[in-house]
Amino acid sequence: AQTVTQSQPEMSVQEAETVTLSCTYDTSESDYYLFWYKQPPSRQMILVIRQEAYKQQNATENRFSVNFQKAAKSFSLKISDSQLGDAAMYFCAYRRGGGADGLTFGKGTHLIIQP
Amino acid sequence: DGGITQSPKYLFRKEGQNVTLSCEQNLNHDAMYWYRQDPGQGLRLIYYSQIVNDFQKGDIAEGYSVSREKKESFPLTVTSAQKNPTAFYLCASSIRLGQNNQPQHFGDGTRLSIL
Repeated sequence: AQTVTQSQPEMSVQEAETVTLSCTYDTSESDYYLFWYKQPPSRQMILVIRQEAYKQQNATENRFSVNFQKAAKSFSLKISDSQLGDAAMYFCAYRRGGGADGLTFGKGTHLIIQP
Repeated sequence: DGGITQSPKYLFRKEGQNVTLSCEQNLNHDAMYWYRQDPGQGLRLIYYSQIVNDFQKGDIAEGYSVSREKKESFPLTVTSAQKNPTAFYLCASSIRLGQNNQPQHFGDGTRLSIL
């Protein structure tokens, strides 16, 4: 079974600074997809960024980027120029390729933005 | 606007009672999912359905049942066999085959509590 581990229960960063959230996963599959979701206090799940395992290039979405290390099974999220609206729970998630399986989530990292 | 509608927002269950959580989507997605979120935890997969009249158990299916009679609807029943049903329940949907990098879209959730 696949597992996703987020080792940082909580992180704090000053507004406008950069922060990196860690995620590692364990799988025997070669075809898979990785995602970061954001859950603000409203509890809505919002997609932040996605990465296909077959792509070597790291995904970027505006201020959000990932460092995907396939051999190390690591998928960290970097948030640049942190803003107050970035404060939320962040979840790393894994999805096996080849079907429409559900996502396997980590336990999340609570990100605090200090003004 | 296309999206996923979950109802009710809050639900209370008495001991020994079955309750049904509604999930409707107008995104024309084939696959639908139910997740459970406990405090301080990530989401865990209960059931998922890739096509009408077919569904599969997820990681924590015991005490739950689902049906998929229509493409747009995927109701979840929490039965009396589920001894610890208090949690936040999220429904999601995604395009099915050939597009595994497509994210799951989530509803706003239902909070279930025991009276």
